[in-house]
This record gives sequence, structure tokens and C-alpha cells, in this order.
Amino acid sequence: DTGVSQNPRHKITKRGQNVTFRCDPISEHNRLYWYRQTLGQGPEFLTYFQNEAQLEKSRLLSDRFSAERPKGSFSTLEIQRTEQGDSAMYLCASSLAFKSDYGYTFGSGTRLTVV
Amino acid sequence: GEDVEQSLFLSVREGDSSVINCTYTDSSSTYLYWYKQEPGAGLQLLTYIFSNMDMKQDQRLTVLLNKKDKHLSLRIADTQTGDSAIYFCAERGNSGNTPLVFGKGTRLSVIA
Repeated sequence: DTGVSQNPRHKITKRGQNVTFRCDPISEHNRLYWYRQTLGQGPEFLTYFQNEAQLEKSRLLSDRFSAERPKGSFSTLEIQRTEQGDSAMYLCASSLAFKSDYGYTFGSGTRLTVV
Repeated sequence: GEDVEQSLFLSVREGDSSVINCTYTDSSSTYLYWYKQEPGAGLQLLTYIFSNMDMKQDQRLTVLLNKKDKHLSLRIADTQTGDSAIYFCAERGNSGNTPLVFGKGTRLSVIA
């Protein structure tokens, strides 16, 4: 098991462009979470999936953001018409639903810089 | 809504004990967590405690929970330079479907 894998590690994009990030969770984990972390802040919840169903979305997830987990395995997070304020580390985590009390396993994140 | 507060910085000498403190507001929190983040990396789960416990010890780590005051602490014994990192406190409400809420993190600097 290679843990939670996120790609790319770094992304630099121009304002107004669309970007897509990928997360591959631990294979047997049915829950997948997306968080955003800006400099000097803790991770902020964006959304989570159980299998392919998106169960909760934060108010932080504006209509420019969309997340999918089509087959209940990997997930993608797309940001359309990026803005400088979208610059952040995007963290993915996974867990087993019945073991989520014991915490999540995080990936190394994708650092997005919007110029 | 839920809120988790931590002091931002802590500096200790190598070999001393470190104590990182956290307060939270959600009285229905059932699980509380400590995560560690090294530069450029994701978060690593260090330990967690269930709300009906007062203390949990795991090797050099001791977690103390005062549920009445909604105060959580992480003590690291014999702090090493490799412990330098940002430590995040997180809480989860009373439902298994509630996502974790994190504090802003405490940056621990260990001086050799």
C-alpha cells in the first residue's frame, strides 16, 4: 500500500485558467476528503465522498469548484477560472467509514500557485 | 459553529518536554486528534483521544483532555530536533459523518 497519492505535487497556472487535481486514496478506503490549506492556516474542509456519492460540501466550495469520484476510487478536484485567492495547498485524505473515528490518512498535497 | 484555537509558536530546547495546547468550542466533540506537518508535506496522524478519556500515552506522547474546560494538550517528552514541525489539533463532532475541524497549528521549534 502506497498511501494516499496526489498529483501533481505543484501546479502554477495563470489567472482565469482551469486546473484539475487528482487523488488516489488507500485502495480499501471508501471515504475520501478534500481540504484546502492556505499559508499559516490549518486545513479547511471542502468536501467528502463515501464511495462515489458526494455527501457534504462546504460553503468554501464555490460554484467554480467541482469534485468527482466517478467509480468510488480516485477523485478529481477541478477549479475553473482560477483566481489568485485560490492559491493554496489542496490536501486529500481517505479513511474507512467505520474507522473514520480513528482519523484520516492524508496525502502530501498539491500546491497551486495562481499568477 | 465549531472552532479550534491553538497558540501559534512554541520554542523548546532539545531534551526538554514540549506542551502544545488547544481549546475547542464544540461540546459534542467525541474524538480529538493531533496531527504533525513537516515542511512541504501532508499531515501525519500522531494520536487521537476519545472524549470519555482523560489521558492517553503513546511512547513519548501524552495527550491530556479536560472536557469540562474543552482543553486538549499534547506533551512530547525528550523533544528532539526531528520533532520540529507544525502540530494541528482537530476535533470531530458527535456524528461519524462530521468531517474533522482543524486549528491553525502550533509551530514547534526545537533548539539544539
